[in-house]
Order: sequence, then C-alpha cells, then structure tokens
Amino acid sequence: DAGVIQSPRHEVTEMGQEVTLRCKPISGHNSLFWYRQTMMRGLELLIYFNNNVPIDDSGMPEDRFSAKMPNASFSTLKIQPSEPRDSAVYFCASSLGQFSYEQYFGPGTRLTVT
Amino acid sequence: GEDVEQSLFLSVREGDSSVINCTYTDSSSTYLYWYKQEPGAGLQLLTYIFSNMDMKQDQRLTVLLNKKDKHLSLRIADTQTGDSAIYFCAEITSNTGKLIFGQGTTLQVKP
Repeated sequence: DAGVIQSPRHEVTEMGQEVTLRCKPISGHNSLFWYRQTMMRGLELLIYFNNNVPIDDSGMPEDRFSAKMPNASFSTLKIQPSEPRDSAVYFCASSLGQFSYEQYFGPGTRLTVT
Repeated sequence: GEDVEQSLFLSVREGDSSVINCTYTDSSSTYLYWYKQEPGAGLQLLTYIFSNMDMKQDQRLTVLLNKKDKHLSLRIADTQTGDSAIYFCAEITSNTGKLIFGQGTTLQVKP
C-alpha cells in the first residue's frame, strides 16, 4: 500500500488567498484525521471523520477553516482566507476504525503564508 | 483534562541506551503510544502499549508503563545515529477516541 498520500507537499501563498490541502487515506481505512503541527503548539487535532462523517471538529481554529470528505478515498482541508499565523505543517492520518488504536500519518503539507 | 508531558531534548552516544520519559494525566487512557518523526517526514508509529500492561518489548525498543504514577518510558537499546529524531508520546481514551500528543523529545545521537 502507498500509505496516506497528501498534496501538495509544500505550499507558499499570500495572505488572503484560499488554500486547499488534499489527503488520500489508506484504502480500507474508514477514519481520517487532520492535524496541525507548529513549534509553539505542537501537534493539534483539527477534525476527524468516521465513514466520511465529521465526528469532532472542536479543534478547528475558526470559521476560516473547513474540511470535507466527499468519499472514502479523499478529503480536503480548506483555509479561506489564509493568514500568516496559519503557517504550519498539516498532517492527515487514517485508521481502520473510529477507535482504532493505530493511526497512520501522511508526510504532511508544509504551508507558508506570507 | 488530558495532558501529556515530555522532556524536550536528550543526547546520547552511539551504542548507549536511550530512555525517553513521558507523563500523562488522564487515568482513563486505554492505549499509550510512541511515534517517531524524522526531519521533514510524518509521524511513524513505533509501538504502543495497552493500559493493563506493564511492559512491552519489540526488538531494541522497550516500553515501560507505571499506571499508578501515570509514567511511560521508551528505552532504545544500542542507540544508532539513525535513531536521531523527535519522539512523541501519545495517549488515547476510549471516551473520545482522540490521540493527545506530548510536545516531543528530540533525541540526538552522537557518533
């Protein structure tokens, strides 16, 4: 299996622009997680889905952030409008079930907002 | 609330053992994990331990859990330069299903 796939790997954008991050989970996994990693705050869970349904979005920082999972093999995390403080590495992870105890992480998308 | 704490940095010599420590606060933790992150990469699950276990060994890795003190440690035997990375401790509780991560411990292995 190719593992969790994220694109793009790097994104540089200007403040105010819309940013869309993409994730393809491992085939057969039915839970998907979006995390953000910064030096200041470490790893934070933003939102997670089970069977394509958002279960907990309490970690989404504000309304500028939205996430979708239209099918079992694809999810997006959108930031509109982007701000410099959104600069971080965004990770997607997937697991076999909602309470599965093994999450597999993608390589991450490094976002820089200038 | 849930909180996971780790020391930030550890330096060892190649061939020595490394011990990375972690404390957590949630007594309802069901599983505790160790993840490894190499520069520019995602997190790789190294090992995990169920909360009713005291110890788990997997090749060079030994996980010790002291549930009374809510203390978890990862011992790496015969540490190699390829072990240099950031190591994250994490817990999951059955009531939330969410992974809570520590800040990560940077392990530096000197030749």
